[in-house]
Amino acid sequence: EIVLTQSPGTLSLSPGERATLSCRASQSVGSSYLAWYQQKAGQAPRLLMYGTSYRATGIPDRFSGSGSGTDFTLTISRLEPGDFAVYYCQHYGSSSWTFGQGTKVEIK
Amino acid sequence: QVQLVQSGAQVKKPGASVKVSCKASGYTFTDYYLHWVRQAPGQGLEWMGWIDPKTGVTNYAQKSQGRVTMSRDTSISTVYMDLSSLGSDDTAVFYCARNIAVPIPFSRSYFYYFDSWGQGTLVTVSS
Repeated sequence: EIVLTQSPGTLSLSPGERATLSCRASQSVGSSYLAWYQQKAGQAPRLLMYGTSYRATGIPDRFSGSGSGTDFTLTISRLEPGDFAVYYCQHYGSSSWTFGQGTKVEIK
Repeated sequence: QVQLVQSGAQVKKPGASVKVSCKASGYTFTDYYLHWVRQAPGQGLEWMGWIDPKTGVTNYAQKSQGRVTMSRDTSISTVYMDLSSLGSDDTAVFYCARNIAVPIPFSRSYFYYFDSWGQGTLVTVSS
């Protein structure tokens, strides 16, 4: 079973700063099967990225994704107030799904 | 538009079972798998399994096997998640989510991800 490890656990940044979130897989995974979700307090998760680097409908271009093999990154180029939330990476493989434990992006 | 509407919050005693429903609308119910994801208070997301609404075939995460049963009623476009032998560590918000498969350009494969989520159902296990 593939394990996804996200780092850091918490990222303290100011609006306008750049956020770089990491998702590391325990073994090489297909980049087509790596997605990112944003979850705000009290809300259901929302799809941000799929296939590592494809933005979901309505997601602004300040969000970008990259990576391959075991290392994947979600970058938020300039944080806006609504971006402070928890972010999860997710992998699909062999009919099973796995989430990372999440990275909280908080206001510094 | 796609909507997944879940049943309301429940309080259960240890050892009991809980059944949560998820009603789909805005698309053809049998065209997409539906998944269940749990989230304990202050914790991350945990995938529990999926059901194919067309066939009723299920696939459960290893951790969920033995205690979870997913089912569907196609006549009312609803899937259910039944969790038995509840313990206090089962207190969580349970989400249903739609799994979409999008063809990858110039490939025979697909992107897989969850494009729509229910609002969540809080299940509290307490004596």
